[in-house]
Amino acid sequence: EDKVVQSPLSLVVHEGDTVTLNCSYEVTNFRSLLWYKQEKKAPTFLFMLTSSGIEKKSGRLSSILDKKELFSILNITATQTGDSAIYLCAAVYSSASKIIFGSGTRLSIRP
Amino acid sequence: KAGVTQTPRYLIKTRGQQVTLSCSPISGHRSVSWYQQTPGQGLQFLFEYFSETQRNKGNFPGRFSGRQFSNSRSEMNVSTLELGDSALYLCASSLAGRDYGYTFGSGTRLTVV
Repeated sequence: EDKVVQSPLSLVVHEGDTVTLNCSYEVTNFRSLLWYKQEKKAPTFLFMLTSSGIEKKSGRLSSILDKKELFSILNITATQTGDSAIYLCAAVYSSASKIIFGSGTRLSIRP
Repeated sequence: KAGVTQTPRYLIKTRGQQVTLSCSPISGHRSVSWYQQTPGQGLQFLFEYFSETQRNKGNFPGRFSGRQFSNSRSEMNVSTLELGDSALYLCASSLAGRDYGYTFGSGTRLTVV
């Protein structure tokens, strides 16, 4: 059965810390991996990763995909309280627009 | 540029009733997908529509159905509501799906009593 597994399920760190969130996947006909940040309702798009080994960066956030080992990581450096959210990763199938989400990592940043 | 609009924002229904939720995608986006989010199951894929055709479907019972109109707006219908259908229903739009980012709406919070 196809699945996306995120770890840890929850994480509490202090402002200024660096965090690494993990996402592993077992998906037939995998095409790409997505990262989203969900604060209240609407998840907001962070990254789409299609190629292995190429890091994508956006400010303090960065992400990389390893298609051989079937995982991705999301790094957040110099965390701020505004980074507190649920971070979701999702695998996109190549055959159509079906997406399978992980259960998310709930990140809490303490001032 | 308007985002993805979902209506209504909140709904309370009783068991056995049916409900219709609406999603208006970003202008120009032709792909609309629907998700159910619950604390226990996380975000689960319901179905995806592109150019009025359902391209893919998740593992939900036939009580869950949808459609897409020629203007790309989509509706989702749930018949014979059960308590377990209480969830946040999110839709996401994309230019064509797959290789493009998906933009989510704020969702419809459905409570079944």
